[in-house]
Amino acid sequence: GESVGLHLPTLSVQEGDNSIINCAYSNSASDYFIWYKQESGKGPQFIIDIRSNMDKRQGQRVTVLLNKTVKHLSLQIAATQPGDSAVYFCAEVYGGSQGNLIFGKGTKLSVKP
Amino acid sequence: DSGVTQTPKHLITATGQRVTLRCSPRSGDLSVYWYQQSLDQGLQFLIQYYNGEERAKGNILERFSAQQFPDLHSELNLSSLELGDSALYFCASSPQGGDYGYTFGSGTRLTVV
Repeated sequence: GESVGLHLPTLSVQEGDNSIINCAYSNSASDYFIWYKQESGKGPQFIIDIRSNMDKRQGQRVTVLLNKTVKHLSLQIAATQPGDSAVYFCAEVYGGSQGNLIFGKGTKLSVKP
Repeated sequence: DSGVTQTPKHLITATGQRVTLRCSPRSGDLSVYWYQQSLDQGLQFLIQYYNGEERAKGNILERFSAQQFPDLHSELNLSSLELGDSALYFCASSPQGGDYGYTFGSGTRLTVV
């Protein structure tokens, strides 16, 4: 279907390690992807985005990689900190979604001190 | 504070009742989106308004309706409530109708008993 899925529902990492959160999307026509972070009791917060004409985009401590061949998206967080503990969602946009976001189920990241 | 204000934060009501959720977008944003977040369905797009007019509709039940007022605030009306309507309801806003620079509010947690 058109849902965006995640390979791992939970991820536990040690503080200071790098985290990799994966996402598979099903619609090859998707042309824009966003990663959101949702902390407990808060709404989703934009982290980083990437367009389909790019393979990689870097932000502050975060990198998003897009592999269109296998329809895979990943979010890499460098030097993970306790404040990174949250649920991370990938979302896709394509013409059929009328420009609105199709969210994946989410991955919970837990950072151990 | 994201700049998107949602009220109330929590709402407990009985089955069959009707409630209204309110959203004030970020200053200057013309577009408002409503999303429902439940444990089994994740974040689902409900409806979008742009400058007072409905722009797109997602998986919104017929029992639900929304509107955007001249001052750009929006209300989501949920009627004939069922237990399954218990969820977090998020509002997001963006500057225009076709951009994806969403800013989410903190949500309204609706519990139907």
